[in-house]
Amino acid sequence: DAKTTQPPSMDCAEGRAANLPCNHSTISGNEYVYWYRQIHSQGPQYIIHGLKNNETNEMASLIITEDRKSSTLILPHATLRDTAVYYCIVRVPHSGGYQKVTFGTGTKLQVIP
Amino acid sequence: KAGVTQTPRYLIKTRGQQVTLSCSPISGHRSVSWYQQTPGQGLQFLFEYFSETQRNKGNFPGRFSGRQFSNSRSEMNVSTLELGDSALYLCASRENTDTQYFGPGTRLTVL
Repeated sequence: DAKTTQPPSMDCAEGRAANLPCNHSTISGNEYVYWYRQIHSQGPQYIIHGLKNNETNEMASLIITEDRKSSTLILPHATLRDTAVYYCIVRVPHSGGYQKVTFGTGTKLQVIP
Repeated sequence: KAGVTQTPRYLIKTRGQQVTLSCSPISGHRSVSWYQQTPGQGLQFLFEYFSETQRNKGNFPGRFSGRQFSNSRSEMNVSTLELGDSALYLCASRENTDTQYFGPGTRLTVL
């Protein structure tokens, strides 16, 4: 699986958009970009994933550059409850078998009142 | 559907003891993975089970073992506990997709 690079920490004012970048310059054509987050002492929570088109769901938007070498997770209106460590992962989806998900160090997002 | 559940949530053991942790996946999910999370090492993959078979294993010593039952529930066992085994142990389940759903974890403290 391709490696990812994320800034170790970011701050965001409450109510503003939080834009979390991820670099995955060695991503291959069939690897997807996944985002998870982990609120302190809880299990990671799936947020969103995509291949090459931008994706949006009720939690966030995922913007993937045209060359797919980087992406940005956008939380449109950050709240204090969005304070967490955000992990960007790239991998080839497996079907019906086993898998291993490797998490990097992530970005610690602090939402400030 | 109910989420992934893990029991117990907190556990305190002493060195040399053994411990068994339990994970109940989301109904219909046949794959269960286990992870260890420590402040120094981050989130590390232990192993994955699918249909009662271990399909992949991380780089942990043989003291760490697991199994999966026919109802997809899984247990993880750690024998001869060491201080360094203190960690948050996470279980995740999935269907036939790549999206994993994590439980709240079991916080193990080894004294």
